[in-house]
Amino acid sequence: AQSVTQPDIHITVSEGASLELRCNYSYGATPYLFWYVQSPGQGLQLLLKYFSGDTLVQGIKGFEAEFKRSQSSFNLRKPSVHWSDAAEYFCAVASYSGGGADGLTFGKGTHLIIQP
Amino acid sequence: DGGITQSPKYLFRKEGQNVTLSCEQNLNHDAMYWYRQDPGQGLRLIYYSQIVNDFQKGDIAEGYSVSREKKESFPLTVTSAQKNPTAFYLCASSIVTAMGEQYFGPGTRLTVT
Repeated sequence: AQSVTQPDIHITVSEGASLELRCNYSYGATPYLFWYVQSPGQGLQLLLKYFSGDTLVQGIKGFEAEFKRSQSSFNLRKPSVHWSDAAEYFCAVASYSGGGADGLTFGKGTHLIIQP
Repeated sequence: DGGITQSPKYLFRKEGQNVTLSCEQNLNHDAMYWYRQDPGQGLRLIYYSQIVNDFQKGDIAEGYSVSREKKESFPLTVTSAQKNPTAFYLCASSIVTAMGEQYFGPGTRLTVT
């Protein structure tokens, strides 16, 4: 069965500093990978996705992620964080059958705190 | 504007009562999903449907039921058999061939006492 691990429950970063959130996945076939962001009490917003091709993918809000098959990782990065980036971040992998996606398996999330 | 609507935002029920959570989408998506979120646990899949009048159990379907009579609607019933129903419930939808790219609603927070 597929799984996603986000090793860091909380991360604190100073405003303007760079950010890297870690994600490791386990999936037997070609993974379709996602990063979502969630503000308190809200739904999830898609930041970026990896399906195939270039292993460095760009997303919204200045985020990027790099897929490394050899390390089963899909880490999220941002060169300079803003106070508005404080939120919960989730990495996810899609499971799918011939008929389409059967759902997403999520990591437990990383809570990002921005220090002034 | 296209999107996913979940109502109500907050829902309170007494233990032993069934409760139905609404999810409506006007994105013309074929697939719809229900997830449960608990603090520190991420999201877990309850049920999903890729086509009208058909749905599949997810990882934690026990104590829940769904219906899919219309493409736009995918209501979730939390039954009295669900042992720990208090949680944040999120509905999502996608194009079936989108390989997992899902759009989420704002969620319903259910509190059962």
